[in-house]
Amino acid sequence: DAGVIQSPRHEVTEMGQEVTLRCKPISGHDYLFWYRQTMMRGLELLIYFNNNVPIDDSGMPEDRFSAKMPNASFSTLKIQPSEPRDSAVYFCASSLGGTGQVIQPQHFGDGTRLSIL
Amino acid sequence: GQNIDQPTEMTATEGAIVQINCTYQTSGFNGLFWYQQHAGEAPTFLSYNVLDGLEEKGRFSSFLSRSKGYSYLLLKELQMKDSASYLCAALDSNYQLIWGAGTKLIIKP
Repeated sequence: DAGVIQSPRHEVTEMGQEVTLRCKPISGHDYLFWYRQTMMRGLELLIYFNNNVPIDDSGMPEDRFSAKMPNASFSTLKIQPSEPRDSAVYFCASSLGGTGQVIQPQHFGDGTRLSIL
Repeated sequence: GQNIDQPTEMTATEGAIVQINCTYQTSGFNGLFWYQQHAGEAPTFLSYNVLDGLEEKGRFSSFLSRSKGYSYLLLKELQMKDSASYLCAALDSNYQLIWGAGTKLIIKP
C-alpha cells in the first residue's frame, strides 16, 4: 500500500518567494496533519484537518502560512512570502480517526526539506 | 501546561539493553506513543500504550504507568540499525498529540 506522499522532497528558494508543499494522505485516512521539525524546536504541529475541514490551526506561525485540503486525497501548505527562519523539514501525516480505546497511529510522509536563502 | 520530558541523548553498546524514559504532563490522557526516527527520515510508529503495564513487540517493549505519568521504551539485543531518535508523544483529552523533543540513541560496537 502507498504511504503518505509528499512533494517536493527538497526545496531551495530565495527569501520572499512563495513556497508550496504538497501532500497525498493514505487512502481512507480522514485525518491529515502538517508538522514542522527543526533541531531547536523539535516536531511542531502546524495544522490538522478532519474530513478535509481545518480543525486546529493554532500552530501556524503567522499569516504567511496557509493550508488547504480541497479533497480527501490532497493538501497543500503554502508560505508566502518565505523567510530564512522558515527553513525546516515539513512533514505531512495521516491517520484514521479513533476515539475511546481504538486509537490509530499517525503515518508520516518522507518530508520536504526546505531551505530559504 | 502540557509537557513531555525525555533524555536528549543516550549511548549503548551493540547487543546490550537500553531503557529510554519519558515523563508526561497533559490535560487529560488518552495514551502514549513511541516513534522511531532515523536521521533524515520520517518518524515511524513503534508502539501505543493506554493501559498500565508492559507491551512487548519483539526486541522492543513499552511500559506505561498512568498514575506516575511515566513511560519507557526498552530495546533489547541492540543492533547498529537501532541508532536513531526515539520520540515519545502523549495524547491529551482533545486527542491531540503532545510530542517530546526526542532521545538520540547512539549504538557503539
